[in-house]
Amino acid sequence: DVQLLESGGGLVLPGGSLRLSCAASGFTFSNYGMSWVRQAPGKGLELVSDITIGSDETHYADSVKGRFTVSRDNFKKMLYLQMNILRAEDTAIYYCARDVYSDNSGYFDFWGQGTLVTVSS
Amino acid sequence: DIVMTQSPDSLAVSLGERATINCKSSQNILYSSNNKNYLAWYQQKPGQPPKLLVYWASTRQSGVPDRFSGGGSGTDFALTISSLQAEDVAVYYCQQYYTTPRTFGQGTKVEI
Repeated sequence: DVQLLESGGGLVLPGGSLRLSCAASGFTFSNYGMSWVRQAPGKGLELVSDITIGSDETHYADSVKGRFTVSRDNFKKMLYLQMNILRAEDTAIYYCARDVYSDNSGYFDFWGQGTLVTVSS
Repeated sequence: DIVMTQSPDSLAVSLGERATINCKSSQNILYSSNNKNYLAWYQQKPGQPPKLLVYWASTRQSGVPDRFSGGGSGTDFALTISSLQAEDVAVYYCQQYYTTPRTFGQGTKVEI
């Protein structure tokens, strides 16, 4: 079965950093584009970042550009999101999601359970 | 960016009745070369991650009950639940994948 397990969330001060991880299993990780989608409390879904299978292309939402960095390790079957200069508005559940295509041009067929990031003093 | 606008924001439907959720894109998301609409629908139950229901605007994901159906083309789309069940209480989102950045609608809450 396809499984995506996020970790690394927590409480952080404004201006701080966190690194989220997503462990993939049950499928050939290196064949799929991967994304991070977040959901602020009581709000809708926002695509934060995505990365192609070879890490040659990455995209970021304007709201996180220059502060967040996505990466992946196909050998370890891991997806990462390095989040720096965190702001209160980054508070959200962060989901790891699998794209149906290798180049992140599709929809998301599997999602992790999410990890909560809270930015507060 | 393509803006996806759903309507209504919420709706209450009796058990066994039909529920229809609308989704409008700010630009055409029908690719003429393959005649496909680049639209997906997701269901999110409380405390759970989103679940894929429909892609290519009208193709049901494996395992999704046939009471869920997607339709529409171009800029106007709809997700219909033909006979609402208690387990269908959720927030539903549309998403376009016609162009980058991929964008979601704001969500529609379906209640009994």
